[in-house]
Amino acid sequence: GENVEQHPSTLSVQEGDSAVIKCTYSDSASNYFPWYKQELGKGPQLIIDIRSNVGEKKDQRIAVTLNKTAKHFSLHITETQPEDSAVYFCAASPNFGNEKLTFGTGTRLTIIP
Amino acid sequence: DAGVIQSPRHEVTEMGQEVTLRCKPISGHNSLFWYRQTMMRGLELLIYFNNNVPIDDSGMPEDRFSAKMPNASFSTLKIQPSEPRDSAVYFCASSFRRGEETQYFGPGTRLLVL
Repeated sequence: GENVEQHPSTLSVQEGDSAVIKCTYSDSASNYFPWYKQELGKGPQLIIDIRSNVGEKKDQRIAVTLNKTAKHFSLHITETQPEDSAVYFCAASPNFGNEKLTFGTGTRLTIIP
Repeated sequence: DAGVIQSPRHEVTEMGQEVTLRCKPISGHNSLFWYRQTMMRGLELLIYFNNNVPIDDSGMPEDRFSAKMPNASFSTLKIQPSEPRDSAVYFCASSFRRGEETQYFGPGTRLLVL
């Protein structure tokens, strides 16, 4: 089955700096890679996703890159703000979001004011 | 629009008791997923349904766990008998196949088995 590894497990950055979280996956059949943000006491919420036919996708301060050859994808957050503090999860799925997602272990991001 | 609704939000029970968690997916969604989140194991998919039919239950830990989806707007996850190691946050998520594939998560049920 799919195995998703996520690094780092914790990350602290100064407000205004950039944050990068990296994930690798094992199953070459995976072709959908969402990123979720989980705030304390809440369920995960999708913040951005990317499909295997795209190398990069941006949404305001958030971007995701995908390298299918190397089987890794990354989340980039620029101009970080205190409200970006949360746990971030990457995930992979073989068939977009309609089937099972395999999640990474999460990254606790702390933005230092 | 109401999101995914889960009940109860918190449940405290004693070992050996039956626990039933409930989920109402987003209207119009036809895929439903049950996840468990713990510090040790992270987010794990337990089972998912498509059009009310269980598709993959390989993540269900053991026979004490069962899930049903009697109609498109309701699903249950039952643990009988419960054990302390079942303590976790259980999430339900839903998505619309062949449409917007995003899985939308509910707020979760925090279960504590004493």
